[in-house]
Amino acid sequence: QVQLVQSEAEVTQPGASVRVSCKTSGYTFTDYAFSWVRQAPGQGLEWMAWISAYNGNTVYAQRFQDRVSMSTDTSTRTAYMELRSLRSDDTAVYYCARASLTAMLVGDYWGQGSLVTVSS
Amino acid sequence: YELTQPPSVSVSPGQTARITCSGDALPKQFAYWYQQKPGQAPVVVISKDTERPSGIPERFSGSTSGTTVTLTISGVQAEDEADYYCQSADSTGIYRVFGGGTKLTVL
Repeated sequence: QVQLVQSEAEVTQPGASVRVSCKTSGYTFTDYAFSWVRQAPGQGLEWMAWISAYNGNTVYAQRFQDRVSMSTDTSTRTAYMELRSLRSDDTAVYYCARASLTAMLVGDYWGQGSLVTVSS
Repeated sequence: YELTQPPSVSVSPGQTARITCSGDALPKQFAYWYQQKPGQAPVVVISKDTERPSGIPERFSGSTSGTTVTLTISGVQAEDEADYYCQSADSTGIYRVFGGGTKLTVL
């Protein structure tokens, strides 16, 4: 069965960077893409970015374009998202989701979420 | 680009709940609906405006009319109490976007 398992929760300081990982199993890795979505405490879902596991093409939401990087590692079936120059309002649960290479669906299978807390 | 949903909808068990989502690009872009329960990841309940993924109960359905899409839950059950989000793309078909979410309360 399809599974996406994310890295554990992290506490980090303002100005630092955080990297979230998303390890997958149960499907052909390069047939899909990944979306990254975040949810601040008590708030709604916010789409951040998309990366193709087939060819590495990326799309970033404009507000994250300068601070987010993504990558995939086919050998370990893992996707990564790095967010830089962290601020307190970046405190959120970050989700990876399996996305289509072509359709606009953000994700049909999701990771469990990784809580990132930004605090001095 | 924005998708607009009502913040909350309340229904009694067995009634029909309708949650709307409005956006200028919806005539050109498919809409998707997600259910999210507290502490859990979202789950797709409707795909491509009207398609129900396998495993989703038949009481969930989707429809579209112009710039508005609607998620309908017929015969609402207590377990349907959750936040519901619509999702689509802007007119370029590049950037994904979520609606603000609707909290469904089963009275």
